[in-house]
Order: sequence, then C-alpha cells, then structure tokens
Amino acid sequence: GAVVSQHPSRVICKSGTSVKIECRSLDFQATTMFWYRQFPKQSLMLMATSNEGSKATYEQGVEKDKFLINHASLTLSTLTVTSAHPEDSSFYICSARDYSIQYFGAGTRLSVL
Amino acid sequence: RKEVEQDPGPFNVPEGATVAFNCTYSNSASQSFFWYRQDCRKEPKLLMSVYSSGNEDGRFTAQLNRASQYISLLIRDSKLSDSATYLCVVNIRAGYNFNKFYFGSGTKLNVKP
Repeated sequence: GAVVSQHPSRVICKSGTSVKIECRSLDFQATTMFWYRQFPKQSLMLMATSNEGSKATYEQGVEKDKFLINHASLTLSTLTVTSAHPEDSSFYICSARDYSIQYFGAGTRLSVL
Repeated sequence: RKEVEQDPGPFNVPEGATVAFNCTYSNSASQSFFWYRQDCRKEPKLLMSVYSSGNEDGRFTAQLNRASQYISLLIRDSKLSDSATYLCVVNIRAGYNFNKFYFGSGTKLNVKP
C-alpha cells in the first residue's frame, strides 16, 4: 500500500525556536497533503490542507504565520512551527491523499520546553 | 453540529465477543467512508473502506446506510490485539477544489482476556 514518511518522529526544543517537520509520499504523487494536530485523548484536528504549487488552506483558528506550510513538490510537504511555545506541544500528523484514501505519516511528537 | 459523530466508548468486551460501532454523518454530500484504527500514541491506519453494498474483511464487516446517514463496523471474535481507537472518516468532494476528510472523535475498544 501507499506509504507516507514523516520526519522527525520526536522533537524536543526550547521555547522560541522554530521546528520543521517533513512529510513525504514515497510511492505515489500527492497533490494534496493534510496536517493534523492531536492532543492527548482527543481526536485529530485538521490544521491545514497543503496543495502542491499553491498556498495552503488553513482551518479556522489556525494561524498561518505560526504554522508555515510549503508543498513544493508532488511528494513533499513541510510544516514549520515558528517560535514554538509550550502550548504548541502536541502530536503532529501529516497525511497524503492517494485517490480517495488518506495515508498517514507516523507523526511527530513535539515537546517545547 | 459535528460532521461526524461517534460514541467515544470505551467498549469493554471479553475476548471472543462480537462488538459493533456506529457512526453518523451530517452531510448528505459525503461520498467515501472509511474506518481507521489508531493505537495509543500512533498514527491512524486504514482498516477498511466502506462500500454501499457493505463489505467484509475477515472478522470485520462494514455497512453503510445512506438513507439514515450512518456507517457501522462489526468485529467478530474479538482479539486482545483489536484493542484500539476506531475512527470513522468521511470524505466530501465538491468540485475540483474541495476535498475534505472529516474524522469522528473515535470509539475506544478494550478487549479483555
């Protein structure tokens, strides 16, 4: 089946630093990728939809200047958490759409100290 | 109203039991339906797509009722390894630029020895 690779799997950083997360579709081209955030014992929350070659579409309440998304190729989307703060600590998961099915990356656990 | 609603559970069942989860969706334009499984602190993984005529994969049976706007998942002969959170996912496509996946909050299943 389709595989999505997400890197890094774990990040611990100081408050104020920026963190970049990569999401790659390994055996298919993905014009659309999705970025989610999940807090403990809660559901996945869609943050933004990443479209190759155009601007990302952000969900209501998600700051686009805080969470920078770049989808420069058909196999790579990146999410940069700028000036991270402790409240940004969460599990970030990307997914890529292959026809009508979403395949998820393994997630990135971000801890901001 | 949420796009997708699920009973959060937990459902606590003994090994070998049959258990069923339901999920309702609010948008009649929903076109594709899926069940994902998510283990603790891991990414969601596709369990099965749900087809209009219903479909079965081993011990798992999925049903779709478009008239009543709900989908179901039946697990027979539960195994300890079935313990996880089961996510109901609905895909809505409306034109070229709108393609969204909506997640339920998940139903937690605990299978006990």
